[in-house]
Parts: sequence; structure tokens; C-alpha cells
Amino acid sequence: NAGVTQTPKFQVLKTGQSMTLQCAQDMNHEYMSWYRQDPGMGLRLIHYSVGAGITDQGEVPNGYNVSRSTTEDFPLRLLSAAPSQTSVYFCASSFRRGEAFFGQGTRLTVV
Amino acid sequence: KQEVTQIPAALSVPEGENLVLNCSFTDSAIYNLQWFRQDPGKGLTSLLLIQSSQREQTSGRLNASLDKSSGRSTLYIAASQPGDSATYLCAVYNNAGNMLTFGGGTRLMVKP
Repeated sequence: NAGVTQTPKFQVLKTGQSMTLQCAQDMNHEYMSWYRQDPGMGLRLIHYSVGAGITDQGEVPNGYNVSRSTTEDFPLRLLSAAPSQTSVYFCASSFRRGEAFFGQGTRLTVV
Repeated sequence: KQEVTQIPAALSVPEGENLVLNCSFTDSAIYNLQWFRQDPGKGLTSLLLIQSSQREQTSGRLNASLDKSSGRSTLYIAASQPGDSATYLCAVYNNAGNMLTFGGGTRLMVKP
């Protein structure tokens, strides 16, 4: 049982580059979300989805795009990376109001 | 806006002690509260989920309580072990069930 799988684990980008962080879950959860974790700021919600085709913004959505074409996958796209997006990114999934399960994280550095 | 606070920010105890970690939240209109463990450089591991209709949950040496009216939750760890050393995070679900708001965490070190 893989749970929530994130790829890549580490990434270094140059300012202005774009990339996609991948997230997949095999628990048939309808809810999926992306968080970023920064020292002194804790974990903050970027975007979330309550089902295939439905997404919404969280607390810090600027500079990120998401889409959800299947129940299993919820990719996070950085359109034009900035140093302020250096962070650890976590994907999570759950049933509505249920126990949330997190991936192992993607550590992103933007230089 | 929901705010979640965890006290203390760091805690060091000798092995075998019982300890309590505290979590407080400003808006009592929550649905669930979840406790997580995070090891350095790793993801979050779910420890306990307390639904708003419950007052406590137990798993092994862990017991979590929830008092919605006072905006507080506690995580009790019995007979602590060095392997319990980690950062413990609490998070509350809003009523819509679509957003978790996290506390800043308590960094626990259990010394042999």
C-alpha cells in the first residue's frame, strides 16, 4: 500500500524556470491538497481539491497552479519559480473530514 | 482566521517520563483535530484523529483529548522512549472539512 507518493524528492531550479511537482494517492480519497512548510511559518495550504475537476485556492496560492483530472493525481505547477518559493512541499489526501495522510515531501530550492 | 498554537515549542525529558503536549485554537467551530509526528527531513505521520463529537482517542501509549468549548487539545505520551523524539504537530479541520490549519509544533527530545 503506497499511500501518498510525491516526486521528485529534491529539486533545484533557477529563477524563472517552471516545473511540476507530482502527487499520487492509491486510497481513492476525494480530497487532495498541497501545503508548503517554511521555518517559523509552519505548514500553509496552497491549493486543494474536493474531487476530480474541482480545485480551489488555499492560504498562499500565488505563483502556483493545480488541476485534477483523475481521483489519483494532483500535480502542482510552478509557473515561473522565484526564490520565495524555496520550501518543502507536502501533498495530502483524505476522505471528507477524515484522517489526512501526507507524502514524504519535495524539497525545492530556487536559486 | 483560525490560529493554532502549540506550547511548549521544545521539550527535553529523560526516558520513562510521562508528558503532555498542548494545542490551542482560536475558533471552536472545528470539525476534527489531528495529531501528527514529523521526524527530521521526513513527512508527517498521522498519530490520532479526534472527531468533534469525541472527547478523546487512544493509540498505544498515546492519548489525545479535545475540549472544543475551551479551544484546547492535549497529547499525552506515557512512558516516553528515545524513539519518541520528533516534532509533534496538531492541526484542526475547518467545518467544511477542506482545510487543515497547523500549529507550529513541539520539538520533543527524549534522552536515554
